[in-house]
Amino acid sequence: QKEVEQDPGPLSVPEGAIVSLNCTYSNSAFQYFMWYRQYSRKGPELLMYTYSSGNKEDGRFTAQVDKSSKYISLFIRDSQPSDSATYLCAMSEAYMRFGAGTRLTVKP
Amino acid sequence: NAGVTQTPKFQVLKTGQSMTLQCAQDMNHNSMYWYRQDPGMGLRLIYYSASEGTTDKGEVPNGYNVSRLNKREFSLRLESAAPSQTSVYFCASSEGPQGYYEQYFGPGTRLTVT
Repeated sequence: QKEVEQDPGPLSVPEGAIVSLNCTYSNSAFQYFMWYRQYSRKGPELLMYTYSSGNKEDGRFTAQVDKSSKYISLFIRDSQPSDSATYLCAMSEAYMRFGAGTRLTVKP
Repeated sequence: NAGVTQTPKFQVLKTGQSMTLQCAQDMNHNSMYWYRQDPGMGLRLIYYSASEGTTDKGEVPNGYNVSRLNKREFSLRLESAAPSQTSVYFCASSEGPQGYYEQYFGPGTRLTVT
């Protein structure tokens, strides 16, 4: 069993939709939780960073962490075609572990 | 600022050949990392360097060696390439220890071993 599980999709939504991306994990030692966005043939870039359980909002993006359920989510409101990318969850204790990534397409 | 740069962008090797992937950062970061990205597997840490002069194994170090040449540069060497090492390799850097600080990634090197 992988330490971090992420549905690879692909996920296709119409412009303006609310998108929900999720990861589960098995290692209760993970303390820091991140979401990275990766455009095609580019390196990942940090989108959101959270430490504790609860919600963190940044513009159209909300990251949610539920440590008791070992579950993290990323919500994208009013999705745009420019949000089309692969979204990677990541978490760390000694070193970073990444999910496999979910490929998202937002259609105009 | 160029951020994190990697060379080469593409490489094709035959089984058994060796090569070195180069990485440099101009952000004065202390920590640097090498990852590989494979379909369905996500990014996996190969080696990292928490600070100049130190290197440590990550999740998948077998078949690789690294050198932290100075604060700016961190190279990854494949001594005898195998088809299982076909992957996209990313270098990253961060101001401080991983997990606490944002990691900045380079554009990647696409390596094919035939």
